[in-house]
Parts: sequence; structure tokens; C-alpha cells
Amino acid sequence: DAKTTQPPSMDCAEGRAANLPCNHSTISGNEYVYWYRQIHSQGPQYIIHGLKNNETNEMASLIITEDRKSSTLILPHATLRDTAVYYCIVRRGAQKLVFGQGTRLTINP
Amino acid sequence: NAGVTQTPKFQVLKTGQSMTLQCAQDMNHNSMYWYRQDPGMGLRLIYYSASEGTTDKGEVPNGYNVSRLNKREFSLRLESAAPSQTSVYFCASSGRTEQLTNTEAFFGQGTRLTVV
Repeated sequence: DAKTTQPPSMDCAEGRAANLPCNHSTISGNEYVYWYRQIHSQGPQYIIHGLKNNETNEMASLIITEDRKSSTLILPHATLRDTAVYYCIVRRGAQKLVFGQGTRLTINP
Repeated sequence: NAGVTQTPKFQVLKTGQSMTLQCAQDMNHNSMYWYRQDPGMGLRLIYYSASEGTTDKGEVPNGYNVSRLNKREFSLRLESAAPSQTSVYFCASSGRTEQLTNTEAFFGQGTRLTVV
């Protein structure tokens, strides 16, 4: 599996867009980029995933660079409930799901 | 639709005792996973099952055994609990697309285990 690098922590003001970066410079052509988050001590929650095109759903947008070596998760209007640890994961096919350390995002009022 | 159900939610064991953590999913998913999460740390994969009848070691399998009883159930057993196994345990499952890639994973609410 390709490794990912995320900043350990970030802050964002409530109502602003939160942009969470992820580097995956060794990603291979058939590996997808997945984002999950974990709020407090709950089980992780799926947010979004993509292969090479930008993706958007009701929770977030995922921007993947053209060379696929990095991506950004965008929460367009962050709320206090978005405070969580965000995990960026790359995996292909039916590979097992392995988490890194993630980014602890704090939304400030 | 319950999703992924873990039992028990809380457990206290004495060192050397054994126990089995149960996990069941009702989404007809092929893949199931067991993770542990120590305080302030990320999730670490203990064991993984890509399909009924198959299991594979993850990052931290020592001290654990698993059983994929059927497509719905994936249990984790501690044969002789140690204080180092005090942790929160999460079970997860994911399905398979027509292209044989995994769908997103769904997680249970966790089992909080303390070994004294």
C-alpha cells in the first residue's frame, strides 16, 4: 500500500472552509484515495473517495492533483461537529484497510 | 438495518482470562476487519477477512485469534488477556463492487476492554 503523510493537527474557524492536505507520492495507478473521520471515540466514518477525478458529495469535496501524488479534502462550511481526526488512506482493489495517524482537525467558534 | 454490531460494549478482564469479542454485519459484505485503538493513537489492524473462510494477519496480530464463522460474523478471541491488550476494539466491514474493489467500510461502535 502507498504511504500517506498528513499534518498531525489543524485549526479552522467555524463557517470557513477546512482544507486538509494529504501526500501520497508513491501511489500507484490503480490505488484509490479514501477519507475517513473519527469523531471523539466513535467508530470511523467514511467521507469520500476518488481515483483521479475530483469528487463531491453531501459531506465534502476531494481534490486530487493531476499527478495523483497529493489530495485535499475540503469541508466547505465547517461546523463544531466537524471536529475530529481525519484519515487519508490509499488502497487498491480488495486490499485491507490500514489507517495512519491522521490529522486532528479542531473547529473553533 | 443495524449495520455493524459489536458485543459486548464494555468488558473488564483479569490478566490471563480469555474472552471472545463478537461482531456481526447485516449488509452482506465480503470483507471484515478487527482494529484496536489505544488512547490518543490511531487504529491498528489486528486481523482481516476478505471473504468467508479466509483470514489474514494485520499489523498487530500477536495475542489474538479470529474466526470468520460465516459471511455475517467475525469474532476476535483473546486466549490469555494481558494489560497491554487494554484498548478499544473496532470491527468493520466492506462490500465489493462489480470491479472487485472494496466499497467504503462501516464500523461498529467499539468494545472498550480493560485488562487488570
